[in-house]
Amino acid sequence: QSVLTQPPSVSAAPGQTVTISCSGSDSNFGNNFVSWYQQLPGTAPKLLINSNDRRPSGIPDRFSASKSGTSATLGITGLQTGDEADYFCGSWDTRLHTWVFGGGTRLTVL
Amino acid sequence: QVQLQESGPGLVKPSETLSLTCTVSGVSITDFYWSWVRQPPGKGLEWIGYAFYSGSTSYNPSLKSRVTISHDTSRNQFSLRLTSVTAADTALYFCARAIRNWDYFFDFWGQGALVTVSS
Repeated sequence: QSVLTQPPSVSAAPGQTVTISCSGSDSNFGNNFVSWYQQLPGTAPKLLINSNDRRPSGIPDRFSASKSGTSATLGITGLQTGDEADYFCGSWDTRLHTWVFGGGTRLTVL
Repeated sequence: QVQLQESGPGLVKPSETLSLTCTVSGVSITDFYWSWVRQPPGKGLEWIGYAFYSGSTSYNPSLKSRVTISHDTSRNQFSLRLTSVTAADTALYFCARAIRNWDYFFDFWGQGALVTVSS
């Protein structure tokens, strides 16, 4: 069981908006930043968001994220079939002295 | 352009040592932290650890007794060594660059190397 909790799956139609939640605790989200990763089928994870809400160069502004207390949310607008992937949140956990990932959320674009 | 490429045996026998190397191009390994992350088939991501070339390391407590991450600055490579492997160590192993300043995240990843533990 992952330290960070994500829904196993979400789905939405092309063009719609979807949000993916990630729930943590004081020892990770409460004291540290959150990052989000996209893993397309058969590929390596790719950084989508760092520092809670910052998009690296080259990431479309359709992707956004926020953090409030011990919860974080990834939002994707204007869904495309190419957005079908697994999405992972992650953060450093100060109490466990380890990096922790969420269990991942599979996005299906219907 | 930063690129990472994992290499190493795809099959390791139980109780033996798993060894992987990550070759980095586009940046000097002495300028950043470098990590290993693994993903068992059909499962999520697990952080293994990170290391700085100077010797500073941090390992996942669940693996700490079996893991070593080291660097070869002359070849711009870093390596993973995992001892006493079992079937539970079968996974896709990724190397990644870790940004560690006031924040911590992984911004460049290798394509991954599948390692199967089996006799």
